[in-house]
Amino acid sequence: GENVEQHPSTLSVQEGDSAVIKCTYSDSASNYFPWYKQELGKGPQLIIDIRSNVGEKKDQRIAVTLNKTAKHFSLHITETQPEDSAVYFCASFTGGFKTIFGAGTRLFVKA
Amino acid sequence: DARVTQTPRHKVTEMGQEVTMRCQPILGHNTVFWYRQTMMQGLELLAYFRNRAPLDDSGMPKDRFSAEMPDATLATLKIQPSEPRDSAVYFCASGLELGTGELFFGEGSRLTVL
Repeated sequence: GENVEQHPSTLSVQEGDSAVIKCTYSDSASNYFPWYKQELGKGPQLIIDIRSNVGEKKDQRIAVTLNKTAKHFSLHITETQPEDSAVYFCASFTGGFKTIFGAGTRLFVKA
Repeated sequence: DARVTQTPRHKVTEMGQEVTMRCQPILGHNTVFWYRQTMMQGLELLAYFRNRAPLDDSGMPKDRFSAEMPDATLATLKIQPSEPRDSAVYFCASGLELGTGELFFGEGSRLTVL
């Protein structure tokens, strides 16, 4: 079945450093790749997304890249701040209106 | 401010009891999803609906879980009988079939089965 693998499961960085989270998907028909941020006690919230016809997208300190051939996509956060500490989920939209999530990455940004 | 509303936010019950979780999707959204979150499994898709019709509930244990949409403003997830391994946070999310693909999540229902 469809599957999304996400690494690392935990990431600790110093404030100001960059953080990179990587995901791999299995369904070659996937065409939409969102990233969600989940803060403690809250539901996940979309922070950035990328579609299959685009290789890279940037929004201020956050960027996503997509390699369709390798079925890889990544989230890059630059100049990390303590408020970036949260759980981040990658996901792929597999068609049939179904979004499959990775297992999540717990990011700690140390001040 | 449109948002997905879930009730109850917290539920503690004893093994064997029936549990019903409710979700009010954002008005106008026609896709509704139920996810379960545990430390070990991340966000696990249980069931989802389009225009109130169930599309896929293969992620749900059929013998004890059921999901319905009695109307466009209410989705329910029922567990009967509940077991300790059902303890988790259950999220409802809604979206637009022909929208951007973004899902809007509620704040979740934290279930503890003793």
